[in-house]
Amino acid sequence: QVQLVQSGAEVKKPGSSVKVSCKTSGGSFSSYDINWVRQAPGQGLEWMGRIIPLLGRADYAQKFQGRVTIIADRSTSTAYMEVNSLRSEDTAVYYCARAIDVVVPSPIGYWGQGTAVTVSS
Amino acid sequence: DIQMTQSPSTLSASVGDRVTITCRASQSLNNWLAWYQQKPGKVPKLLIYKASTLESGVPSRFSGSGSGTEFTLTISSLQPDDFATYYCLQYSSPSGFGQGTRLEI
Repeated sequence: QVQLVQSGAEVKKPGSSVKVSCKTSGGSFSSYDINWVRQAPGQGLEWMGRIIPLLGRADYAQKFQGRVTIIADRSTSTAYMEVNSLRSEDTAVYYCARAIDVVVPSPIGYWGQGTAVTVSS
Repeated sequence: DIQMTQSPSTLSASVGDRVTITCRASQSLNNWLAWYQQKPGKVPKLLIYKASTLESGVPSRFSGSGSGTEFTLTISSLQPDDFATYYCLQYSSPSGFGQGTRLEI
């Protein structure tokens, strides 16, 4: 079955960067969109961006353009999401999530377990 | 980016009630609209995609409708397990979630 396993919790200082990994199994890694979604404590879901591993092309929500980078390593079936210039408002649980279908566009159907990122001085 | 406006933000209802949640988009979505249910401490669960297609295993009391820029999620007869937070997601490029609707007793 499809599994997405994320890296562990992080505590970061304001102004630093964090890189979260998402290793997938079950199904062809290259063919499905991998999305990144975050959820601040007590808040709603926020879509950050996605990558199509086969194309290596990512697109981002306007809010995160220039501060977030999403890449995919097809050799290890792992996607990465890096956030730069961290601030306290970036404290959240970060999820990777895979599309349900190879045909684009396709909604998210599978989720990683989430990675808690805390930004604090 | 396409803006999604979801309403209401909170909905109080009782078991057996019929409830409707609405999402409006700032431009046409070509029906690339999905609905999710999230319970505390859990990842979201896909309920509906392509505006009205029920995901496998989801009870038939959930239904989606709409087109263009206005979409609705309807729960025909609320069950105790349905009290949760619901989100719409437009999955054109780039994607975006609605603000969420907390369905409470």
